[in-house]
Amino acid sequence: AQSVTQLGSHVSVSEGALVLLRCNYSSSVPPYLFWYVQYPNQGLQLLLKYTSAATLVKGINGFEAEFKKSETSFHLTKPSAHMSDAAEYFCAVSERTNAGKSTFGDGTTLTVKP
Amino acid sequence: NAGVTQTPKFQVLKTGQSMTLQCAQDMNHNSMYWYRQDPGMGLRLIYYSASEGTTDKGEVPNGYNVSRLNKREFSLRLESAAPSQTSVYFCASSRGDRGPEQYFGPGTRLTVT
Repeated sequence: AQSVTQLGSHVSVSEGALVLLRCNYSSSVPPYLFWYVQYPNQGLQLLLKYTSAATLVKGINGFEAEFKKSETSFHLTKPSAHMSDAAEYFCAVSERTNAGKSTFGDGTTLTVKP
Repeated sequence: NAGVTQTPKFQVLKTGQSMTLQCAQDMNHNSMYWYRQDPGMGLRLIYYSASEGTTDKGEVPNGYNVSRLNKREFSLRLESAAPSQTSVYFCASSRGDRGPEQYFGPGTRLTVT
């Protein structure tokens, strides 16, 4: 069975600092991995996805994530935080044999201090 | 394209009342989903429909029923609402195995008193 763990329910950074949100997954087969962002009172929107090929994935708004099979991780990073990055971030995993069904982590709330 | 739309945006029910949450997508997606979101618990899958004509239970199906009316529409029904069903409900859609990323609606905030 697939699962995903997001380390840290709250992360706080200063504007201009590095953003690092951690995600580890468990899957019996090579997975698909996703990061979604949720702004207040909105639905989730896709930031980036790993489906195959390149292990470093670039997404919208300057975010990127690296798939590391040996560490079963898919951490989300951004070199320089902006105030508009304040939101909740969800990591999700789905198995290639049942790709339509994803399991979501509990979410990490990112606060950006001026 | 409107993407995924949900109605209503807000609803207050009394315990024991029933209601149906509506969801529609205009992206010609095969798969549709209903989630609930509660503080600190992420998103939990209630029901999903891999394709038109099929529905399957998710992690928390008790107290809910669904109907995949056609390829566009997927409704969620609460037959007898309970306070434990107070939550934010999200509908989502995807291309399924051919495109697993999901597209979400804006949500319905439901309060059961």
